Amino acid sequence: DAGVIQSPRHEVTEMGQEVTLRCKPISGHNSLFWYRQTMMRGLELLIYFNNNVPIDDSGMPEDRFSAKMPNASFSTLKIQPSEPRDSAVYFCASSLRLARYEQFFGPGTRLTVL
Amino acid sequence: AQTVTQSQPEMSVQEAETVTLSCTYDTSESDYYLFWYKQPPSRQMILVIRQEAYKQQNATENRFSVNFQKAAKSFSLKISDSQLGDAAMYFCAYRSKGGSEKLVFGKGTKLTVNP
Repeated sequence: DAGVIQSPRHEVTEMGQEVTLRCKPISGHNSLFWYRQTMMRGLELLIYFNNNVPIDDSGMPEDRFSAKMPNASFSTLKIQPSEPRDSAVYFCASSLRLARYEQFFGPGTRLTVL
Repeated sequence: AQTVTQSQPEMSVQEAETVTLSCTYDTSESDYYLFWYKQPPSRQMILVIRQEAYKQQNATENRFSVNFQKAAKSFSLKISDSQLGDAAMYFCAYRSKGGSEKLVFGKGTKLTVNP
């Protein structure tokens, strides 16, 4: 199994630009999570989906952030417009609900907004 | 809301020795899961060990074991025979069993292994 795939691995952009992060979960998994890691706030959940439906988006910082899951094998996290305080590592994780609840993480996307 | 606290920002251990990382949590739920994740410099999050709250027996995975004290809401990780490859950030995490699937993480402990 290829594991959770994220792209890009690194993204450098300028303030005001649109940024799109992509995630492909492990085949067969039906829950998908987006986490953000910063020095100040640590690891925190932004949003998660179950069977492609958003279940909890209470961690999405503001309207500049949006996430979609159009099908079981793909999700995007979009930031528009980006700001320097959005600089962080963004992780995608997936799990098979009701199967021991382990979440498998992707390698993360390091985002730098100048 | 649940919270997870790791009171040791940094720890160090000599190679082949044993080290214990601390974690406490706060919850009003009676059934839940607790996890330890390892994050090496590659930043990949790797599951080390998992504990189900309703199980009294402490989980063990090779050199890694936990001391789960449910009444005290404590969940420490013991690493025996430490190896250089154990050097990493270690995160304690909480997950509800019946409610939200999200993981709530502590701030992490940076473990250094000295040769």
